[in-house]
Amino acid sequence: TQLLEQSPQFLSIQEGENLTVYCNSSSVFSSLQWYRQEPGEGPVLLVTVVTGGEVKKLKRLTFQFGDARKDSSLHITAAQPGDTGLYLCAGLTSEGGKLIFGQGTELSVKP
Amino acid sequence: KAGVTQTPRYLIKTRGQQVTLSCSPISGHRSVSWYQQTPGQGLQFLFEYFSETQRNKGNFPGRFSGRQFSNSRSEMNVSTLELGDSALYLCASRATSGNTEAFFGQGTRLTVV
Repeated sequence: TQLLEQSPQFLSIQEGENLTVYCNSSSVFSSLQWYRQEPGEGPVLLVTVVTGGEVKKLKRLTFQFGDARKDSSLHITAAQPGDTGLYLCAGLTSEGGKLIFGQGTELSVKP
Repeated sequence: KAGVTQTPRYLIKTRGQQVTLSCSPISGHRSVSWYQQTPGQGLQFLFEYFSETQRNKGNFPGRFSGRQFSNSRSEMNVSTLELGDSALYLCASRATSGNTEAFFGQGTRLTVV
């Protein structure tokens, strides 16, 4: 069974701080996606990483896919209150369109 | 281009009843997947439909079923509802089954009382 372990589960920081969220697995994924979800809404896709070692930047967010395509990280620089939300990593399995999700990281950025 | 539309947004049902949820994918997308999200279990895969055929199924009981129509719209049915079925049910739209990017609807919040 493929599993994705996401850490930390909860993170409460002050505006302007940096943070990193980790997503680890013992399995290889063909791609890994990061989503952000706000209460009562569906997850919104932030980025997809496909190639081992790939780094993608989205403004203050930096996403990295491990060389072996088993892990990924999300780094936020100078966090802002608008970054508050649930961050989810999801790996695309070899079973067609099935996504395996991590448990999520609940981020709270206080002004 | 319209996004993924799920109806209804909220639903309250009684134990033992059955419920049908609907999902209209992004125009041109042929793959629809369903997920259940609960605080304890997170997001769990229910099943995926592509071109009216179920391609994958998660580890849920047979009370959970679905179908997809020729216009790619999908419905999910849960029979004999249990309290534990209370969850946010999310639908994800994908251009093809192997495409990497999945776009989610806002979800249907089901409460079973």
